[in-house]
Amino acid sequence: AQKVTQAQTEISVVEKEDVTLDCVYETRDTTYYLFWYKQPPSGELVFLIRRNSFDEQNEISGRYSWNFQKSTSSFNFTITASQVVDSAVYFCALSEAPRDDKIIFGKGTRLHILP
Amino acid sequence: KAGVTQTPRYLIKTRGQQVTLSCSPISGHRSVSWYQQTPGQGLQFLFEYFSETQRNKGNFPGRFSGRQFSNSRSEMNVSTLELGDSALYLCASSSGTGVTEAFFGQGTRLTVV
Repeated sequence: AQKVTQAQTEISVVEKEDVTLDCVYETRDTTYYLFWYKQPPSGELVFLIRRNSFDEQNEISGRYSWNFQKSTSSFNFTITASQVVDSAVYFCALSEAPRDDKIIFGKGTRLHILP
Repeated sequence: KAGVTQTPRYLIKTRGQQVTLSCSPISGHRSVSWYQQTPGQGLQFLFEYFSETQRNKGNFPGRFSGRQFSNSRSEMNVSTLELGDSALYLCASSSGTGVTEAFFGQGTRLTVV
């Protein structure tokens, strides 16, 4: 069965520190997609990244970077030089598309960036 | 390009009543998915509609139903409301063809008293 685990329920760091959010997933499919979403207090889920199971290249987008390792079934997210505006709940998610399009979310990590 | 619009933003209903939530997807998107978010269970998939047909369904009781119109707008209905139905209901819009990212609305916060 598919499952996404975000072991860190809540993290607090001081502004400008780097922080890594962990994500471990389970799936029996060889083709799948992984996502990260950000949920600010307004409630809307903001898409950050999608990665397919055949692409293990790490990705960097500004202060954000993602490390995908199939060997450990992990898809970790790092924010470099954190800012107060990064405070939000972050969700890691899995889709076993094209077989099954629904997105399975982890429980989320609440990130507090302290000024 | 307008985003995903969910109405209403907030609702208070009494146990036993029914409720209808609405979602207007991004123009050109044909897939609408619904999710329930609660503190205890997190984000759970309810169902997906594509071209007016339910294409996928989560593990929710039959009290939860939905439909999609020809303009891709979708409605979700919950009948015989229970206290446990209090949640943030999120709608996601995607093209529905191939694997693309889903864009979410701000949600409807339903409180059942």
